[in-house]
Amino acid sequence: DTGVSQNPRHKITKRGQNVTFRCDPISEHNRLYWYRQTLGQGPEFLTYFQNEAQLEKSRLLSDRFSAERPKGSFSTLEIQRTEQGDSAMYLCASSSAYNEKLFFGSGTQLSVL
Amino acid sequence: RKEVEQDPGPFNVPEGATVAFNCTYSNSASQSFFWYRQDCRKEPKLLMSVYSSGNEDGRFTAQLNRASQYISLLIRDSKLSDSATYLCVVTRMDSSYKLIFGSGTRLLVRP
Repeated sequence: DTGVSQNPRHKITKRGQNVTFRCDPISEHNRLYWYRQTLGQGPEFLTYFQNEAQLEKSRLLSDRFSAERPKGSFSTLEIQRTEQGDSAMYLCASSSAYNEKLFFGSGTQLSVL
Repeated sequence: RKEVEQDPGPFNVPEGATVAFNCTYSNSASQSFFWYRQDCRKEPKLLMSVYSSGNEDGRFTAQLNRASQYISLLIRDSKLSDSATYLCVVTRMDSSYKLIFGSGTRLLVRP
């Protein structure tokens, strides 16, 4: 399967702990996005990479959030000092430079206790 | 005010019914428009793009009204398998090419 891969699928953590999620985009896609989705809401944009460059970061993202995409391949999203309000589905998506169609991964469901 | 607004529903319709969803967007600089479908506990998937001239894909018809800044999706002859949340999506051609999602309209098709 050459789709977008995310892991872990589920993460349960205690408040105050750090967590890191990984996303492997479709190999030929140079654009990578992170979104967050809570129940009853649509996905909210968090950040965007074109190759290894992080070109935009949402104001929703506090300083506790950081994302990287070394070498323009996989990406990681780290949340430091997690809070209960961080509980959500974190979705990664990728697209090519020539097509706006986003392909989403299955997401990582984060629960902060 | 959200940039993309949708009626959350749910729309509860019998099989075979025709149902229509509308979506409004606030940014006149929006350039591309889509409908995504999201099944429960699954990731969103592209249903169809929306063009100014309107477009049809089988039982699904999408239309765009730039003057009024709204997008519509019409589903004819509803199937049980159409039950899902339908997300209205717009993009702006700024540096990020990011897709901005509405909150979604939930559709329930009953036997």
